[in-house]
Order: sequence, then structure tokens, then C-alpha cells
Amino acid sequence: SAVISQKPSRDICQRGTSLTIQCQVDSQVTMMFWYRQQPGQSLTLIATANQGSEATYESGFVIDKFPISRPNLTFSTLTVSNMSPEDSSIYLCSVGRTGVQETQYFGPGTRLLVL
Amino acid sequence: AQSVTQLDSHVSVSEGTPVLLRCNYSSSYSPSLFWYVQHPNKGLQLLLKYTSAATLVKGINGFEAEFKKSETSFHLTKPSAHMSDAAEYFCVVSENTDKLIFGTGTRLQVFP
Repeated sequence: SAVISQKPSRDICQRGTSLTIQCQVDSQVTMMFWYRQQPGQSLTLIATANQGSEATYESGFVIDKFPISRPNLTFSTLTVSNMSPEDSSIYLCSVGRTGVQETQYFGPGTRLLVL
Repeated sequence: AQSVTQLDSHVSVSEGTPVLLRCNYSSSYSPSLFWYVQHPNKGLQLLLKYTSAATLVKGINGFEAEFKKSETSFHLTKPSAHMSDAAEYFCVVSENTDKLIFGTGTRLQVFP
């Protein structure tokens, strides 16, 4: 497994502002993923972030709203831009290793409340 | 397209009684299947996974799941519930890609 940390653990933000969430892993990993979990809902994949290439976004998510950086094999950031109350969610990063049967390990999540 | 259906949004059991959380999947290929658990205000923890080896998979904390291709099911069971098992459980499917498809979750309540 991998030890994953996220910063901040929670935040309260005003609408129209942006928040950058950091994800740090204790070992090098090929794949990093960002998920959203809206209140009372299941997890939805936002995008896949591979080091050295552009992030791949799922349907319904765009780079202008959720820009992602992946500068190295242990770190990634997700920015939630121009926030609205509908962006209030838990944002989770996960990591996986190609060839390890798709197992993904999740960070503790960032709880975001937009007022 | 792959999908997963968790048949119960809430399950309540008494401590010491068996737990059954039901999951059915839809997949065009041989899927990988997972169960994750999410305790209140905590991250997701992998309970167990099936990846085309043994059909009965044993996980952590006494949980196990059986892959039944004929029934397209991957139900999670535990012989005796503990208070600490109270959490949200997610059934997850993956089709040889890195994309995980999550079910809607089952909230397990355990009464003393």
C-alpha cells in the first residue's frame, strides 16, 4: 500500500474564489487520480493525472474548472476554480501502480464547503 | 458499459449477527471487483479485491466476498458483526483499465 496525505483537510471558501488541494504520496507512483464525493453520494472520477503528460478528464469535468498539476511521481494538485456552492464536496486523491491489478489507495480527502 | 448496483442503501444488524451487503455488476469482460469501506470522516480503505483468481476472496477485519459469474454478483459477508464495522461500504468494478466505477454505497448500522 501507500501512505497518502492531502492538504488542506478541510476548508470553507467564498464563492468565486479558487482552492488548490495538494496530494502527497510516500513513494513513487505511476497513476494518480482525483475524485469528487458530493454530500451523501458516491465517488465520481474527475481526472487521471500521469507525470509528464496532460491530465485526462472524465465527461462532465473540464480543465478550466479543475486544473491539475503532476510535477513528479509523488505529488499532484487539484484546483477548484471559480467556486460555487455546488462545488461543496469531499475531494479525494488516489494512487495506483500499473500492473498491480488496478488496486487504488485513497487519501483521507479534503472537505470543501463553499458559501 | 460497466456498472455496479448495490441493492441496499442501508443495512442494520445486531452486534454478533451475520452481515450481508449485496452487489451486482455489469461488465462486458472479466472484471476486477473491489469492496472499499469509508468510516465517518475518514478516507477509503480497501477491504478486498477479486482479480480472476480464487472466486472466494478474504479481506481484512473478517470480511469476505464471493464472485459468482452466473449471477453477476459480488456480495460482501461477515459471520459476526462488530460495532466498529458501522460505516459506508462501496462495491467497485474495473475493466482492465485504471478507471474505477463506484456503486452508490451501503450504510451499515450495527446495534448493540
